[in-house]
Amino acid sequence: AQKVTQAQTEISVVEKEDVTLDCVYETRDTTYYLFWYKQPPSGELVFLIRRNSFDEQNEISGRYSWNFQKSTSSFNFTITASQVVDSAVYFCALRIANFGNEKLTFGTGTRLTIIP
Amino acid sequence: GAGVSQSPSNKVTEKGKDVELRCDPISGHTALYWYRQRLGQGLEFLIYFQGNSAPDKSGLPSDRFSAERTGESVSTLTIQRTQQEDSAVYLCASSFRDREPDFGPGTRLTVT
Repeated sequence: AQKVTQAQTEISVVEKEDVTLDCVYETRDTTYYLFWYKQPPSGELVFLIRRNSFDEQNEISGRYSWNFQKSTSSFNFTITASQVVDSAVYFCALRIANFGNEKLTFGTGTRLTIIP
Repeated sequence: GAGVSQSPSNKVTEKGKDVELRCDPISGHTALYWYRQRLGQGLEFLIYFQGNSAPDKSGLPSDRFSAERTGESVSTLTIQRTQQEDSAVYLCASSFRDREPDFGPGTRLTVT
């Protein structure tokens, strides 16, 4: 069975600070995908990044960066120089790459509040 | 192109009534997911379709919940004899192969 743990329920930081959201996953499969989604107050789920299990390269997209470490089963998300618009709930998710069994398992989310 | 659409966007129903929630996935997407999100909570997995079959129904909370998918397209989630604890936003997502799932805007269900 797959499991995703986001231990940080809520985080508040002052604008312009950096913040890291943790994600730890469990799976016995060797091929899988990891995702991060953002859910702003409006409610829609916005895709941020997809990473497959064979690609451990870190990725940077503007102020966002992701650190994937298979050794610790973690896929952490860092926002640099946070802005008020970053306030949202962020979800980490895992899907194994097994055609016919592609259940997408979400963590419980981290509510991020950026204080102006 | 068009994204995942869901209807209705809002539904208010009386306790004990049946409701049907509809999801129109992105054309060509083979996988379809239903999730439930209670207020302030995370995403609770309900059911997953690959094509028209449902290899994983493990998340359906009770036999009052059922779902089907036809033509490898539209899916309907049916809740019979609704209860107040069924009040939530029901989210549908679809995906193609290993691509990221695209989510619809959700249906907000309120059971009074």
